[in-house]
Amino acid sequence: QKEVEQDPGPLSVPEGAIVSLNCTYSNSAFQYFMWYRQYSRKGPELLMYTYSSGNKEDGRFTAQVDKSSKYISLFIRDSQPSDSATYLCAMSASGGGSNYKLTFGKGTLLTVNP
Amino acid sequence: GAVVSQHPSRVICKSGTSVKIECRSLDFQATTMFWYRQFPKQSLMLMATSNEGSKATYEQGVEKDKFLINHASLTLSTLTVTSAHPEDSSFYICSAREIGGSFKPQHFGDGTRLSIL
Repeated sequence: QKEVEQDPGPLSVPEGAIVSLNCTYSNSAFQYFMWYRQYSRKGPELLMYTYSSGNKEDGRFTAQVDKSSKYISLFIRDSQPSDSATYLCAMSASGGGSNYKLTFGKGTLLTVNP
Repeated sequence: GAVVSQHPSRVICKSGTSVKIECRSLDFQATTMFWYRQFPKQSLMLMATSNEGSKATYEQGVEKDKFLINHASLTLSTLTVTSAHPEDSSFYICSAREIGGSFKPQHFGDGTRLSIL
């Protein structure tokens, strides 16, 4: 079993739809959870990060973490064609000697159709 | 804020050439910088972690003599692909983590697409 599982999609939705992206993980040491957006031929762009369980909202984006289920989600409201990209979840355990290395999911390719 | 600049964005060169890629944090100081490799339609694969003033730590299976990393300052890390061959063709991405002992998320450059002929 991989440490982080993410459905690669592709996921295609109409403009204005609510998008739900998810990752599951197996390592209970993960405490920091991030979502990155990556456009084609570009580096990942940090969207949101959260510590431990709970919700965090930023504009049209909401990140949820459920540590008891080892499940994280990213919701995108009122999706726009410009949201079309690959979304990567990433996780990190505490620092110490690890330098807060990230473990990534495979990424979900999202297309929002006008 | 938190801008990471990576240069060059694209390199095409002959087999046997050594290629240097620069990664700079423009508006923050980075304790730690990371180098990744990404194959088409795949996620990022961590190659190595570099801390300013220290030797880089390489992931298992990554040849340290092939991929030389230097992190000479808190704003600059370089990756040199020595004697590059076609199998080294890939998308290389760096990231930087802001200075400080507590967690700070990584911020990524826009990558370097390396093509070895």
